[in-house]
Amino acid sequence: SAVISQKPSRDICQRGTSLTIQCQVDSQVTMMFWYRQQPGQSLTLIATANQGSEATYESGFVIDKFPISRPNLTFSTLTVSNMSPEDSSIYLCSVVGSNTDTQYFGPGTRLTVL
Amino acid sequence: AQTVTQSQPEMSVQEAETVTLSCTYDTSESNYYLFWYKQPPSRQMILVIRQEAYKQQNATENRFSVNFQKAAKSFSLKISDSQLGDTAMYFCAFMKRGATNKLIFGTGTLLAVQP
Repeated sequence: SAVISQKPSRDICQRGTSLTIQCQVDSQVTMMFWYRQQPGQSLTLIATANQGSEATYESGFVIDKFPISRPNLTFSTLTVSNMSPEDSSIYLCSVVGSNTDTQYFGPGTRLTVL
Repeated sequence: AQTVTQSQPEMSVQEAETVTLSCTYDTSESNYYLFWYKQPPSRQMILVIRQEAYKQQNATENRFSVNFQKAAKSFSLKISDSQLGDTAMYFCAFMKRGATNKLIFGTGTLLAVQP
């Protein structure tokens, strides 16, 4: 499986600010996703990061709040904009490699908003 | 819409014993995948096991095996010879086979392996 890294691993931010999370994969992958895991809860898909085009957002998530970029087949960013304490979560990226239908997850970014 | 239900929020097992985690799902699809993922405390989510719906044979990975009952829409995970390192949150997940690769997760079962 691919090796996936995320930066930062954790951060503490003030409300009203924005944070950009990076996801880097060591090989080209067909699909990349961004998930949110609120404290003590399961994972919720935010969006599919599409290479070279706008991300596809799930119901309840909008581009103005969670802009996503995917400039190539190995890298994506998720920005959490105008943060509030309710945005405190773990944010995870996942990838699907070629010739597989299985998702593999990055280590996550633990975000705390004060 | 598909749903995944894990009815056991927490479970406990003694080291070296066997434990079974339950998962049921609801779908009208016939072609799909089911997964178990493990998330140890403050550590990365990792794939435990995967089952393709069209395969009748239950998947196994070392000490981990599943009991896949397609008609009953049940997908339980059996962990044999439990080890302290198995302590984690376990998530069951469904994915319709196709272009989107979207995963739908259950709420998770927190498994504690006791020495």
